[in-house]
Amino acid sequence: DAEITQSPRHKITETGRQVTLACHQTWNHNNMFWYRQDLGHGLRLIHYSYGVQDTNKGEVSDGYSVSRSNTEDLPLTLESAASSQTSVYFCASSHSGRGSYNEQFFGPGTRLTVL
Amino acid sequence: AQSVAQPEDQVNVAEGNPLTVKCTYSVSGNPYLFWYVQYPNRGLQFLLKYITGDNLVKGSYGFEAEFNKSQTSFHLKKPSALVSDSALYFCAVRLSSGGYQKVTFGTGTKLQVIP
Repeated sequence: DAEITQSPRHKITETGRQVTLACHQTWNHNNMFWYRQDLGHGLRLIHYSYGVQDTNKGEVSDGYSVSRSNTEDLPLTLESAASSQTSVYFCASSHSGRGSYNEQFFGPGTRLTVL
Repeated sequence: AQSVAQPEDQVNVAEGNPLTVKCTYSVSGNPYLFWYVQYPNRGLQFLLKYITGDNLVKGSYGFEAEFNKSQTSFHLKKPSALVSDSALYFCAVRLSSGGYQKVTFGTGTKLQVIP
């Protein structure tokens, strides 16, 4: 069965370190997204991609970067981790089409703690 | 700007009773509307969506939602609640027109079904 996976599931790091969170999907979806989930804020979009070599900033992109070298993967990098980036991170994907109304499929999440 | 409001942080309902989880939205145009469910330590799962047509939308696990354009609402309902329905529910909205349109999520409503 197709799926979307994230690794690691839990990560503890120190302020200032670079951290990369992996996201891998086997749906063959062109659209991929990264969100963070914080109490009182719901889900907030960090970055998104329509396809290979395409990346776009979301509403809370400062301090984060992504790259899309293939269809399956969209790794999220925290350039220099800050305590404010302690959160649960979700990767999602959806069927292609910029105007698409298709629903998103979510990974299980990565809980990141920055000390 | 578009927004979603879920006015109740938590909804408690007795098993077997009907449940309603409320959602109102604001968007400058016609909306696409979604409901997702999140179980503990899991990613979000799609429940149902409104795109166009019949205002009553049926989805997974016996859930349904009614689109009300005049009240800008999209409340989630189920005739008879199960203990296993206890979870966090998110409403989401995006514009129906144009290219990529950001999906905005509500802050979530925790549903507690009491045996």
